[in-house]
Amino acid sequence: SYELTQPPSVSVSPGQTASITCSGDKLGDKYAHWYQQKPGQSPVLVIYQDGKRPSGIPERFSGSNSGNTATLTISGTQAMDEADYYCQAWDSGTAFGGGTRLTVL
Amino acid sequence: EVQLVQSGAEVKKPGESLKISCKGSGYSFTTYWIGWVRQMPGKGLEWMGIIYPGDSDTRYSPSFQGQVTISVDKSISTAYLRWSSLKASDTAMYYCARTQAAAGAFDPWGQGTLVTVSS
Repeated sequence: SYELTQPPSVSVSPGQTASITCSGDKLGDKYAHWYQQKPGQSPVLVIYQDGKRPSGIPERFSGSNSGNTATLTISGTQAMDEADYYCQAWDSGTAFGGGTRLTVL
Repeated sequence: EVQLVQSGAEVKKPGESLKISCKGSGYSFTTYWIGWVRQMPGKGLEWMGIIYPGDSDTRYSPSFQGQVTISVDKSISTAYLRWSSLKASDTAMYYCARTQAAAGAFDPWGQGTLVTVSS
């Protein structure tokens, strides 16, 4: 089965830029999607098809995907962005990354 | 407003059967896929499978094939996830979510159904 690898944790200072990576074999040839999950809540889609933002998602969220790595970037990170983030891609079935805990220090 | 509303929390004993539900509203239920995702306590998201209500086309993750059954009743816009014999290791939160294509992004997600299996 297809595997997606994320760093377990990323820390960022308020107002700075956070980057969360997702690695998989030839991931750049597939669409990558990203979800935010806060404690006790359902996941929320924040980026789809590599770099598109759903309605209602702040402009500080952006994404890119090339080669073997997709990246979620949060510019001007706010305390409210502290959450777990998961990447997702399809390869004969949906695969999720293991998740990255974003801490805003 | 597009919504997926899941059935309530369940407490079951090992060996019992269970069927949980996910009711869609605010959109054409038969033209979007519904996926099921497991999240064990303190762990990440795991894709279980997906169904297209229009023709009941169903795909399973190899990890869950034969362990669960995904079905749909399009007359009441509801998808189901069923176990015939629960194990303690099935204890988890289960989410349903909508997607436009089998390979697409999930949006929105249901509120989740907590299943606890304990003797």
